[in-house]
Amino acid sequence: GQNIDQPTEMTATEGAIVQINCTYQTSGFNGLFWYQQHAGEAPTFLSYNVLDGLEEKGRFSSFLSRSKGYSYLLLKELQMKDSASYLCAVVANDYKLSFGAGTTVTVRA
Amino acid sequence: GAVVSQHPSRVICKSGTSVKIECRSLDFQATTMFWYRQFPKKSLMLMATSNEGSKATYEQGVEKDKFLINHASLTLSTLTVTSAHPEDSSFYICSASGGQGARGYTFGSGTRLTVV
Repeated sequence: GQNIDQPTEMTATEGAIVQINCTYQTSGFNGLFWYQQHAGEAPTFLSYNVLDGLEEKGRFSSFLSRSKGYSYLLLKELQMKDSASYLCAVVANDYKLSFGAGTTVTVRA
Repeated sequence: GAVVSQHPSRVICKSGTSVKIECRSLDFQATTMFWYRQFPKKSLMLMATSNEGSKATYEQGVEKDKFLINHASLTLSTLTVTSAHPEDSSFYICSASGGQGARGYTFGSGTRLTVV
């Protein structure tokens, strides 16, 4: 099966920066997604990386290194509404999305 | 673009009854649909993959006779939880894929099933 690891929880202060790391070992690689999920809701798309490098989109950026099996999601200028679970998901050779366990980010005032 | 509609959003049913959940791709043709299950504070677990016009492929440990999946058209897939029990209570989410890349995986809004 696929193995995707990310930290369970992170806490940061409003206005700060938080980096959520994700490492993966999968059967092939066809892209990596980051999703945000609030309790009781479906995941919402944040970013997609298939080539190495940094993708920046507003306050959120995502980085990928395929050789290292590593990605991170960077959240800048944290806001209270950013408190949520962040899911790292990898597409392997079977084109199925395999999810990490999710990282719960708590933003404190 | 890339909108997936899932309903019902919430359903409460009695033990022993069956519940059908629908997942529709509204503005694209979904050649593949995925069904996930999520327990509280856990991540999404893939239950099965369905391709239009063919039988669904179930992940290990998922009972195909209990979770019936039908993908009769390129815009509709249904998941029927048969003879539901309280332990089937969960959040069920579908995802539709019309191709590769970022557009490839669009999630429905999820269905909260409670079996009493």
